[in-house]
Amino acid sequence: DQQVKQNSPSLSVQEGRISILNCDYTNSMFDYFLWYKKYPAEGPTFLISISSIKDKNEDGRFTVFLNKSAKHLSLHIVPSQPGDSAVYFCAERGGNTPLVFGKGTRLSVIA
Amino acid sequence: DAGITQSPRYKITETGRQVTLMCHQTWSHSYMFWYRQDLGHGLRLIYYSAAADITDKGEVPDGYVVSRSKTENFPLTLESATRSQTSVYFCASIGGKTEAFFGQGTRLTVV
Repeated sequence: DQQVKQNSPSLSVQEGRISILNCDYTNSMFDYFLWYKKYPAEGPTFLISISSIKDKNEDGRFTVFLNKSAKHLSLHIVPSQPGDSAVYFCAERGGNTPLVFGKGTRLSVIA
Repeated sequence: DAGITQSPRYKITETGRQVTLMCHQTWSHSYMFWYRQDLGHGLRLIYYSAAADITDKGEVPDGYVVSRSKTENFPLTLESATRSQTSVYFCASIGGKTEAFFGQGTRLTVV
């Protein structure tokens, strides 16, 4: 059974609007949550993270929200730009365990 | 150059052949990982290593072998390649911080 679920395979957003990417998890032992961005023919690159003791972390246009009671993680991108078009993966980790990834959401920002 | 590098970037091999994918990191990170990326599956963990001479299976280890004789290297070997192993393979490492850093990937085609 999937521990990390990204239920939307794709998302299209107009330039300047907000992009919201969602992720659900099942393992309560996860204590660190991350978002990665991936362009074609490149490796995933780290974008932003949040510890389980927080409910929000902001870095420029990117904000990650964590709702532990709902076991839900979201990434907000405001304003969205064409260069944000990529595949976004959420990932979780507990202690010294490896990162567990979702299947990814392909974001297309339309100019 | 500092960072994590994978070689080769592209590889075509025949069914039944043995092939080794190389991964080298210059940070002396303790943890290293191998993931494969397939359409519809996201990033799935093949093997990981917590330190030199310590390796563990991930989600999809069958048909793969790893070794970690030196901290900086983590080669992945397909003992007898099958068409189902056609994929993009990513190596990653984690040091003191929790976020993993990825190599640029190896696209492997088994014909």
